[in-house]
Amino acid sequence: AQSVTQPDIHITVSEGASLELRCNYSYGATPYLFWYVQSPGQGLQLLLKYFSGDTLVQGIKGFEAEFKRSQSSFNLRKPSVHWSDAAEYFCAVARYSGGGADGLTFGKGTHLIIQP
Amino acid sequence: DAGITQSPRHKVTETGTPVTLRCHQTENHRYMYWYRQDPGHGLRLIHYSYGVKDTDKGEVSDGYSVSRSKTEDFLLTLESATSSQTSVYFCAIGGGRDTQYFGPGTRLTVL
Repeated sequence: AQSVTQPDIHITVSEGASLELRCNYSYGATPYLFWYVQSPGQGLQLLLKYFSGDTLVQGIKGFEAEFKRSQSSFNLRKPSVHWSDAAEYFCAVARYSGGGADGLTFGKGTHLIIQP
Repeated sequence: DAGITQSPRHKVTETGTPVTLRCHQTENHRYMYWYRQDPGHGLRLIHYSYGVKDTDKGEVSDGYSVSRSKTEDFLLTLESATSSQTSVYFCAIGGGRDTQYFGPGTRLTVL
């Protein structure tokens, strides 16, 4: 069965510093991968997604992620964080176990704290 | 924002009572999903639907049932609510190569 691991439960970064959030997946075939962000008390917003092709994916709000098949990773990066980036970040992989669209499997999330 | 609404947005109920949560979409999308979100667990799939009257179980389906009689509505029912079902419930639409969009969530407290 597919799974997603986000090794870091909490990360603290100074405003203006670079950011990397880690995500490792387990999936037999080529995965469909996603990063979502959730601000406190809000729903989930898609940051970016990877289906195929270029392994470096650009998203919204200045985020990017790189798919590395050899490492089963899909890490999220941002060169310079802003206080408004403080939120919960979720990595997810599409299930597709039965063909068709049968939902996402999420990691447990990484809570990002921005220090002034 | 994708046209997804959830009702109610907040609900407090007692153990043993039935509860129905509603998800309504205006995007005419074929696929719809129910997830629950709990601290330390991320989001977990409860049930999903790939068309009217076509539904299937997700990873945490015990104690939940769903129905989809119209494309736009996907109902999640807790037949007899338990305290372990206290959670935030999210509906989503999309899937396949389409992005999944999430609704605003329903916070359910079972006392």
